[in-house]
Amino acid sequence: EAQVTQNPRYLITVTGKKLTVTCSQNMNHEYMSWYRQDPGLGLRQIYYSMNVEVTDKGDVPEGYKVSRKEKRNFPLILESPSPNQTSLYFCASSWEANTEAFFGQGTRLTVV
Amino acid sequence: GESVGLHLPTLSVQEGDNSIINCAYSNSASDYFIWYKQESGKGPQFIIDIRSNMDKRQGQRVTVLLNKTVKHLSLQIAATQPGDSAVYFCAENGGSQGNLIFGKGTKLSVKP
Repeated sequence: EAQVTQNPRYLITVTGKKLTVTCSQNMNHEYMSWYRQDPGLGLRQIYYSMNVEVTDKGDVPEGYKVSRKEKRNFPLILESPSPNQTSLYFCASSWEANTEAFFGQGTRLTVV
Repeated sequence: GESVGLHLPTLSVQEGDNSIINCAYSNSASDYFIWYKQESGKGPQFIIDIRSNMDKRQGQRVTVLLNKTVKHLSLQIAATQPGDSAVYFCAENGGSQGNLIFGKGTKLSVKP
């Protein structure tokens, strides 16, 4: 089954404690991205990757890092989480930047 | 989950009625559009797409209409069912990198 898998689904952490949210896709897509979704603001792109070892900032990259060492994986790293990063996060993959995006199930992160 | 629906315009319809959800897109250069459905606690799911060389496209129980003159997109759902209750949002490929830009969404509530 074609899917995008994120882990964990739920995470509560404390300010400053580094965390990683994993994302994996099995569709051999080249383009992957991370979004955060906040009430009233919709989906905003954090970072994206057009291929292995190629990553770039989206609209709201501050406080986040990503890596793309393999085609299927695109982890999101918060080196020093802060409460304003409390949000619902989605990983997505697609063949290209402007084609249909397939989304993971989401990770609800709470930073206290 | 549920917090996604806060602060969103809401459309409430009776089961069996037709629903029309509207979206105004931002970039006149966008030439590809998608409608997504997001159920509570899940990631967005693709419903239907349309390219700018068309003004109408039909799927199963859904129709998308595109009016490029006024930059308007609509999603029509025939014979709306309780399972259609969700947040619906449009996306256009009008980002600076050709990436998708997402609308904030409309919450559809179906009354039995």
